[in-house]
Amino acid sequence: DTVLTQSPALAVSPGERVSISCWASEGVNSYMHWYQQKPGQQPKLLIYKASNLASGVPARFSGRGSGTDFTLTIDPVEADDPATYFCHQSWNDPHTFGAGTKLELK
Amino acid sequence: QVQLQQSGAELVKPGSSVKISCKASGYTFTSYDMHWIKQQPGNGLEWIGWIYPGNGNTKYNQKFNGKATVTADKSSSTAYMQLSSLTSEDSAVYFCARGGGFSGHYFDYWGQGVMVTVSS
Repeated sequence: DTVLTQSPALAVSPGERVSISCWASEGVNSYMHWYQQKPGQQPKLLIYKASNLASGVPARFSGRGSGTDFTLTIDPVEADDPATYFCHQSWNDPHTFGAGTKLELK
Repeated sequence: QVQLQQSGAELVKPGSSVKISCKASGYTFTSYDMHWIKQQPGNGLEWIGWIYPGNGNTKYNQKFNGKATVTADKSSSTAYMQLSSLTSEDSAVYFCARGGGFSGHYFDYWGQGVMVTVSS
């Protein structure tokens, strides 16, 4: 299976820019997607196919990458953004997810 | 608006089976894949499989072959997942999620999740 590696946690101050990385153990083309999950809630799609903003998602969120290295950027970080962020690849079978990056505010 | 409404929490005994549901509304049920995802407490997400309600085609993560069976009822726009031979390892929250885009590669709408607890 394709292993997706994310850093476990990040802490940033409101108004700053933060980048969350996801490294794939093998190429996934551009089929990397990003979700935000808050405690007790279902995940919410933020970015699909590496760089496409999902409907209704603020333009503060952006994504880039291809192949094995991908990044989700939030700029600027706002008070509502603390959550766990997951990457998800759908190029290789089976679909796999990263373990998540927990974003906290300083 | 698109909504996926899942059934309620389940407390089930080891060795038994459970069937959870996901009722779709706000879109054409037969035109989109429905995926199922497992999340254990403190753990990440695992993809279980999908069904295309239009023709009943299914695909599973090999890890869940024999454990999960997904079905769909077009008349009620409801997808189902049955989990069998339950053990403590099956205790988790299970989400249904719509496959977005032409190929259904990403999950654009999610149900609220069903907590399944396996305990004697």
